[in-house]
Amino acid sequence: GNSVTQMEGPVTLSEEAFLTINCTYTATGYPSLFWYVQYPGEGLQLLLKATKADDKGSNKGFEATYRKETTSFHLEKGSVQVSDSAVYFCALSVTPTNFNKFYFGSGTKLNVKP
Amino acid sequence: GAGVSQSPSNKVTEKGKDVELRCDPISGHTALYWYRQSLGQGLEFLIYFQGNSAPDKSGLPSDRFSAERTGGSVSTLTIQRTQQEDSAVYLCASSFRANTEAFFGQGTRLTVV
Repeated sequence: GNSVTQMEGPVTLSEEAFLTINCTYTATGYPSLFWYVQYPGEGLQLLLKATKADDKGSNKGFEATYRKETTSFHLEKGSVQVSDSAVYFCALSVTPTNFNKFYFGSGTKLNVKP
Repeated sequence: GAGVSQSPSNKVTEKGKDVELRCDPISGHTALYWYRQSLGQGLEFLIYFQGNSAPDKSGLPSDRFSAERTGGSVSTLTIQRTQQEDSAVYLCASSFRANTEAFFGQGTRLTVV
């Protein structure tokens, strides 16, 4: 089946620290992989995506590489800021399929201290 | 509209009452999703509509929950005889076609008292 597992939070870091949030997946077919972010009091928004193996998605200093051999899509940022405090969701969708259902991880809350 | 619109943004209802939550997707998006997010929890899939295909209802938690999508656009999620455990944020999302990113609305926060 299709599923996403991501590391449990909360993750607490000091400003300018290095961030890694682990995400692994199982999928039938050929998944596209996504990271969504939910800032406090706001809806989910797409942070980055990768649609095939070895692709690297990047946005706002965040990066994630689609690793088919390890079925992973870990989120990284070299230097976090207080404004990065949010909940991060890893997700996949699978093709070919008639139903583009997204499978979300449970979310990882990131707290960045000044 | 420019984004996915959900209404109401907040709803407080008494236990046992029925509620309707509305989602207006981005124009032209063929796929529409409903998710539920309980306090501090991840996203729970409820139902998915794709074009004219039969919806995927596999995530609906009980027969008190139903959803429809009229004319391939606006969707309504109905919860009958609400229970306190139904309290959550209900999120709607839409996407243009298969395997593209989903755009989320701001959600409806439902509180059952």
